[in-house]
Amino acid sequence: NAGVTQTPKFQVLKTGQSMTLQCAQDMNHEYMSWYRQDPGMGLRLIHYSVGAGITDQGEVPNGYNVSRSTTEDFPLRLLSAAPSQTSVYFCASSRPGLVNSEQFFGPGTRLTVL
Amino acid sequence: KNEVEQSPQNLTAQEGEFITINCSYSVGISALHWLQQHPGGGIVSLFMLSSGKKKHGRLIATINIQEKHSSLHITASHPRDSAVYICAVFWAEYGNKLVFGAGTILRVKS
Repeated sequence: NAGVTQTPKFQVLKTGQSMTLQCAQDMNHEYMSWYRQDPGMGLRLIHYSVGAGITDQGEVPNGYNVSRSTTEDFPLRLLSAAPSQTSVYFCASSRPGLVNSEQFFGPGTRLTVL
Repeated sequence: KNEVEQSPQNLTAQEGEFITINCSYSVGISALHWLQQHPGGGIVSLFMLSSGKKKHGRLIATINIQEKHSSLHITASHPRDSAVYICAVFWAEYGNKLVFGAGTILRVKS
Protein backbone atom coordinates (compact mmCIF):
# COMPACT_ATOMS: atom_id res chain seq x y z
CA ASN A 1 0.00 0.00 0.00
CA ALA A 2 1.20 3.51 -0.82
CA GLY A 3 -0.75 4.93 2.14
CA VAL A 4 -1.62 8.62 1.76
CA THR A 5 0.00 10.42 -1.15
CA GLN A 6 0.07 14.14 -1.82
CA THR A 7 1.16 16.13 -4.85
CA PRO A 8 2.92 18.40 -5.40
CA LYS A 9 5.52 18.45 -2.61
CA PHE A 10 6.40 22.08 -3.23
CA GLN A 11 4.54 24.87 -5.00
CA VAL A 12 5.04 28.60 -5.48
CA LEU A 13 2.07 30.68 -6.57
CA LYS A 14 1.46 34.31 -7.27
CA THR A 15 -1.34 36.14 -5.49
CA GLY A 16 -4.63 35.50 -7.26
CA GLN A 17 -3.64 32.25 -8.92
CA SER A 18 -5.65 29.11 -8.33
CA MET A 19 -4.47 25.57 -7.91
CA THR A 20 -5.45 22.14 -6.64
CA LEU A 21 -3.54 20.10 -4.08
CA GLN A 22 -4.04 16.42 -4.68
CA CYS A 23 -4.54 13.78 -1.99
CA ALA A 24 -5.17 10.09 -2.46
CA GLN A 25 -5.26 7.05 -0.18
CA ASP A 26 -5.42 3.35 -1.01
CA MET A 27 -6.55 2.03 2.39
CA ASN A 28 -10.28 2.35 1.72
CA HIS A 29 -10.58 4.90 4.51
CA GLU A 30 -13.84 6.77 4.71
CA TYR A 31 -12.60 9.73 6.76
CA MET A 32 -10.26 12.20 5.03
CA SER A 33 -9.16 15.65 6.10
CA TRP A 34 -6.99 18.59 5.14
CA TYR A 35 -4.88 20.53 7.65
CA ARG A 36 -2.56 23.45 7.46
CA GLN A 37 0.48 23.80 9.69
CA ASP A 38 1.90 27.21 10.51
CA PRO A 39 4.89 28.00 12.76
CA GLY A 40 4.03 28.04 16.45
CA MET A 41 0.51 26.77 15.88
CA GLY A 42 -1.05 23.36 15.96
CA LEU A 43 -2.41 21.69 12.87
CA ARG A 44 -5.66 23.38 11.92
CA LEU A 45 -8.47 21.63 10.13
CA ILE A 46 -9.52 23.16 6.81
CA HIS A 47 -12.12 20.70 5.49
CA TYR A 48 -12.99 17.09 6.09
CA SER A 49 -15.07 14.31 4.60
CA VAL A 50 -16.69 11.30 6.24
CA GLY A 51 -17.29 9.53 2.95
CA ALA A 52 -17.72 9.95 -0.80
CA GLY A 53 -20.10 12.80 -1.58
CA ILE A 54 -19.96 14.24 1.97
CA THR A 55 -17.76 17.16 2.99
CA ASP A 56 -17.83 19.67 5.82
CA GLN A 57 -15.95 22.73 6.94
CA GLY A 58 -13.28 22.73 9.58
CA GLU A 59 -11.76 25.53 11.60
CA VAL A 60 -10.24 27.57 8.72
CA PRO A 61 -12.22 26.88 5.52
CA ASN A 62 -12.22 30.33 3.92
CA GLY A 63 -10.46 30.45 0.56
CA TYR A 64 -10.52 26.67 0.08
CA ASN A 65 -12.89 24.26 -1.61
CA VAL A 66 -13.02 20.47 -1.51
CA SER A 67 -14.96 17.68 -3.15
CA ARG A 68 -15.09 13.93 -2.58
CA SER A 69 -16.30 12.11 -5.65
CA THR A 70 -14.50 8.85 -4.78
CA THR A 71 -13.38 7.18 -1.56
CA GLU A 72 -9.75 7.41 -2.67
CA ASP A 73 -9.37 11.08 -3.63
CA PHE A 74 -9.86 14.31 -1.70
CA PRO A 75 -8.46 17.33 -3.60
CA LEU A 76 -8.12 20.76 -2.01
CA ARG A 77 -8.66 23.77 -4.25
CA LEU A 78 -7.30 27.23 -3.59
CA LEU A 79 -9.65 29.58 -5.41
CA SER A 80 -7.55 32.77 -5.45
CA ALA A 81 -4.27 32.35 -3.59
CA ALA A 82 -3.29 34.90 -0.95
CA PRO A 83 -0.01 35.30 0.97
CA SER A 84 -1.88 34.27 4.15
CA GLN A 85 -2.26 30.82 2.59
CA THR A 86 1.50 30.26 2.65
CA SER A 87 1.76 27.15 4.79
CA VAL A 88 2.44 23.44 4.85
CA TYR A 89 -0.64 21.41 3.97
CA PHE A 90 -1.24 17.89 5.19
CA CYS A 91 -3.88 15.43 4.09
CA ALA A 92 -4.86 12.65 6.48
CA SER A 93 -7.15 9.65 6.44
CA SER A 94 -8.57 7.15 8.89
CA ARG A 95 -11.30 4.61 9.25
CA PRO A 96 -14.63 5.98 10.39
CA GLY A 97 -14.71 7.03 14.01
CA LEU A 98 -11.87 9.25 15.19
CA VAL A 99 -12.08 7.94 18.74
CA ASN A 100 -10.23 4.72 18.10
CA SER A 101 -8.81 5.17 14.61
CA GLU A 102 -5.14 5.67 13.81
CA GLN A 103 -4.52 8.74 11.71
CA PHE A 104 -2.45 8.33 8.52
CA PHE A 105 -0.84 11.48 7.15
CA GLY A 106 0.50 12.32 3.73
CA PRO A 107 4.02 13.76 3.35
CA GLY A 108 2.76 17.34 3.06
CA THR A 109 2.78 20.10 0.45
CA ARG A 110 4.81 23.23 1.13
CA LEU A 111 3.02 26.16 -0.50
CA THR A 112 4.40 29.67 -0.89
CA VAL A 113 2.19 32.49 -2.16
CA LEU A 114 4.05 35.57 -3.31
CA LYS B 1 -7.60 30.41 23.74
CA ASN B 2 -5.77 27.21 22.91
CA GLU B 3 -7.86 24.29 24.10
CA VAL B 4 -4.90 21.91 23.97
CA GLU B 5 -1.73 23.03 25.74
CA GLN B 6 1.59 21.24 25.49
CA SER B 7 4.65 21.71 27.65
CA PRO B 8 7.45 22.29 27.29
CA GLN B 9 7.51 23.99 23.90
CA ASN B 10 11.17 23.09 23.45
CA LEU B 11 13.21 20.40 25.15
CA THR B 12 16.89 19.50 24.83
CA ALA B 13 18.12 16.31 26.45
CA GLN B 14 21.29 14.24 26.59
CA GLU B 15 21.24 10.78 25.12
CA GLY B 16 19.99 8.27 27.69
CA GLU B 17 17.85 10.71 29.66
CA PHE B 18 14.24 10.04 30.60
CA ILE B 19 11.95 12.53 28.86
CA THR B 20 8.44 13.66 29.69
CA ILE B 21 6.19 15.75 27.46
CA ASN B 22 2.88 16.98 28.83
CA CYS B 23 -0.50 17.70 27.28
CA SER B 24 -3.42 19.40 29.04
CA TYR B 25 -6.87 20.02 27.62
CA SER B 26 -9.78 22.11 28.72
CA VAL B 27 -12.87 19.89 28.38
CA GLY B 28 -13.78 16.26 28.79
CA ILE B 29 -12.66 14.19 25.83
CA SER B 30 -13.34 10.85 24.23
CA ALA B 31 -9.79 10.12 23.07
CA LEU B 32 -6.31 11.57 22.85
CA HIS B 33 -3.69 10.97 20.16
CA TRP B 34 0.08 11.35 20.32
CA LEU B 35 1.85 11.99 17.01
CA GLN B 36 5.47 12.35 15.96
CA GLN B 37 6.72 14.68 13.24
CA HIS B 38 10.27 14.11 12.05
CA PRO B 39 12.54 16.86 10.72
CA GLY B 40 11.66 15.78 7.18
CA GLY B 41 8.07 16.73 7.92
CA GLY B 42 6.25 13.39 7.92
CA ILE B 43 3.70 12.81 10.70
CA VAL B 44 3.09 9.38 12.20
CA SER B 45 0.65 8.24 14.85
CA LEU B 46 2.24 6.93 18.05
CA PHE B 47 -0.67 6.27 20.41
CA MET B 48 -4.40 6.60 20.86
CA LEU B 49 -5.62 6.73 24.46
CA SER B 50 -8.97 6.98 26.14
CA SER B 51 -7.83 5.78 29.57
CA GLY B 52 -4.86 4.37 31.45
CA LYS B 53 -1.50 3.73 29.89
CA LYS B 54 0.02 2.36 26.69
CA LYS B 55 3.58 1.28 25.95
CA HIS B 56 5.40 0.75 22.68
CA GLY B 57 9.11 0.06 22.89
CA ARG B 58 10.73 2.97 24.76
CA LEU B 59 7.61 5.13 24.51
CA ILE B 60 4.96 5.25 27.21
CA ALA B 61 1.77 7.31 27.11
CA THR B 62 -0.51 7.90 30.08
CA ILE B 63 -3.76 9.76 30.49
CA ASN B 64 -5.64 11.03 33.54
CA ILE B 65 -9.19 11.77 32.46
CA GLN B 66 -10.18 13.45 35.74
CA GLU B 67 -7.22 15.83 35.63
CA LYS B 68 -7.54 16.37 31.85
CA HIS B 69 -3.88 15.59 31.36
CA SER B 70 -1.72 13.21 29.36
CA SER B 71 2.01 12.55 29.34
CA LEU B 72 4.34 11.02 26.80
CA HIS B 73 7.50 9.48 28.25
CA ILE B 74 10.61 8.39 26.38
CA THR B 75 12.99 6.12 28.25
CA ALA B 76 16.70 5.88 27.36
CA SER B 77 16.39 8.69 24.82
CA HIS B 78 18.40 8.58 21.61
CA PRO B 79 19.26 11.21 18.99
CA ARG B 80 16.86 9.51 16.58
CA ASP B 81 14.03 10.49 18.96
CA SER B 82 14.61 14.12 17.96
CA ALA B 83 11.31 15.27 16.49
CA VAL B 84 8.21 17.32 17.18
CA TYR B 85 5.71 15.53 19.40
CA ILE B 86 2.09 16.55 18.99
CA CYS B 87 -0.96 15.71 21.04
CA ALA B 88 -4.47 15.93 19.64
CA VAL B 89 -7.82 15.46 21.34
CA PHE B 90 -11.21 14.36 20.15
CA TRP B 91 -14.38 15.31 21.95
CA ALA B 92 -17.86 14.71 20.72
CA GLU B 93 -19.10 18.26 21.36
CA TYR B 94 -16.59 19.59 18.84
CA GLY B 95 -17.87 17.33 16.10
CA ASN B 96 -16.03 14.67 14.19
CA LYS B 97 -12.67 16.47 14.40
CA LEU B 98 -9.35 16.48 16.18
CA VAL B 99 -7.94 19.55 17.93
CA PHE B 100 -4.15 19.74 18.01
CA GLY B 101 -1.61 21.15 20.40
CA ALA B 102 1.20 23.32 19.03
CA GLY B 103 3.77 20.57 19.54
CA THR B 104 6.91 20.04 21.61
CA ILE B 105 10.24 20.26 19.80
CA LEU B 106 12.59 17.63 21.22
CA ARG B 107 16.30 17.51 20.53
CA VAL B 108 18.38 14.68 21.94
CA LYS B 109 22.13 15.27 21.89
CA SER B 110 24.69 12.48 21.77
